[in-house]
Amino acid sequence: ETVLTQSPATLSLSPGERATLSCRASQSVASQLAWYQQKPGQAPRLLIFDASNRATGIPARFSGSGSGTDSTLTITSLEPEDTAVYYCQQRSHWPLTFGGGTKVEIK
Amino acid sequence: EVQLLESGGGLVQPGGSLRVSCAASGFTFSSFVMTWVRQAPGKGLEWVSTISGSGGNTYYADSVKGRFTISRDNSKNILYLQMNSLRAEDTAVYYCAKDRCSSITCYDFDYWGQGTLVAVSS
Repeated sequence: ETVLTQSPATLSLSPGERATLSCRASQSVASQLAWYQQKPGQAPRLLIFDASNRATGIPARFSGSGSGTDSTLTITSLEPEDTAVYYCQQRSHWPLTFGGGTKVEIK
Repeated sequence: EVQLLESGGGLVQPGGSLRVSCAASGFTFSSFVMTWVRQAPGKGLEWVSTISGSGGNTYYADSVKGRFTISRDNSKNILYLQMNSLRAEDTAVYYCAKDRCSSITCYDFDYWGQGTLVAVSS
């Protein structure tokens, strides 16, 4: 099973700051990695697919990068509504797996 | 507008059975792979099962293999998850999710339902 390790577990930043979230895979997933945002009480929402492609309707402040075993989600200029848990997910190997999540808090 | 609406969750005793459903609308249901993902209370996301558009191919997490069965009725646009021999550790919100791609399979998910809670307890 491909284990995805997300860091940090929690990120506490002020509005306007930059958030950098990491997702490390136990084996290469090429660019077959997605990022999701989940707000409290809501279903996950697709942000980024194939490591760096924004999904429909996702603001430009969200960007993804990386390939192989290391991927990054960057949120430039945080806004209060970005408070959420962010998950990465790989589709390169069965079983499909998710990372444990990074909680982003806005001070 | 794509909509996914889960139903059928509830409280069930250990060893019991339950079938949850996901009614889909707003897209050509039979053209898309569909997936169930669950989330235990306060925990992260866990992939459970995936089914091809035709229903001919199914995939399961080891944690549910042999106990859960995914199926679909393309004439009614409904996805199902039959859960047997339920355990306390199956307690979770169960989400259905639509594959992002149609002509090829992507195995990531662009639309999710709001989820249905399955609680396994005596």
